[in-house]
Amino acid sequence: EVQLVESGGGLVQPGGSLRLSCAASGFTFSNYWMSWVRQAPGKGLEWVANIKKDGSEKYYVDSVKGRFTITRDNAKNSLYLQMKSLRGEDTAVYYCARDGIGGITLHAFDIWGQGTMVTVSS
Amino acid sequence: DIQMTQSPSTLSASVGDRVTITCRASQSISSWLAWYQQKPGKAPKVLIYDASTLDSGVPSRFSGSGSGTEFTLTISSLQPDDFATYYCQQYNSYWTFGQGTKVEIK
Repeated sequence: EVQLVESGGGLVQPGGSLRLSCAASGFTFSNYWMSWVRQAPGKGLEWVANIKKDGSEKYYVDSVKGRFTITRDNAKNSLYLQMKSLRGEDTAVYYCARDGIGGITLHAFDIWGQGTMVTVSS
Repeated sequence: DIQMTQSPSTLSASVGDRVTITCRASQSISSWLAWYQQKPGKAPKVLIYDASTLDSGVPSRFSGSGSGTEFTLTISSLQPDDFATYYCQQYNSYWTFGQGTKVEIK
């Protein structure tokens, strides 16, 4: 079964750090670009970061540049999001997603994890 | 940055109704548009990609059309399982989602 499973969410104080993980199974992880998408409580979806198949290219939404770092370990079939200098507005469910369908250069997201909640509060 | 605007934000409809949701891009995105369905507490699920291609397993009552800056998602006959929130997403230049359209029971 094709699956993505996130972990690492929790409660963190403003200014703190957190590292999210996403374990992939059921497909050849190294063949796909991967993304993180977040959803604040009661709000819409926001793309956060994206990483190339081999990790050589990374892209971020402006609001997290310099604070978040996306990485991957293809040997472990895992995707990561290191988050630093966290703010209240980073509070959200964070999903990992596979860039796997449609498009030519960029793709839509065909597989999603169940999400992990990050709460930034004192 | 490309902005995506969906309308309406909320739509009240009955089972069997034909439903149309519109998504407008702030600049041309060719056909690089997807539609997602999300139910409360669940991850989004892709319905349509490349503006009009139905993903595998998605019922044929869903259809997508448009190109350039204007796109529509149509549900030909609304079913009980279709009450959810729908998002459009462009993938022409990075990725941007619309703000969502909640389809609720009338």
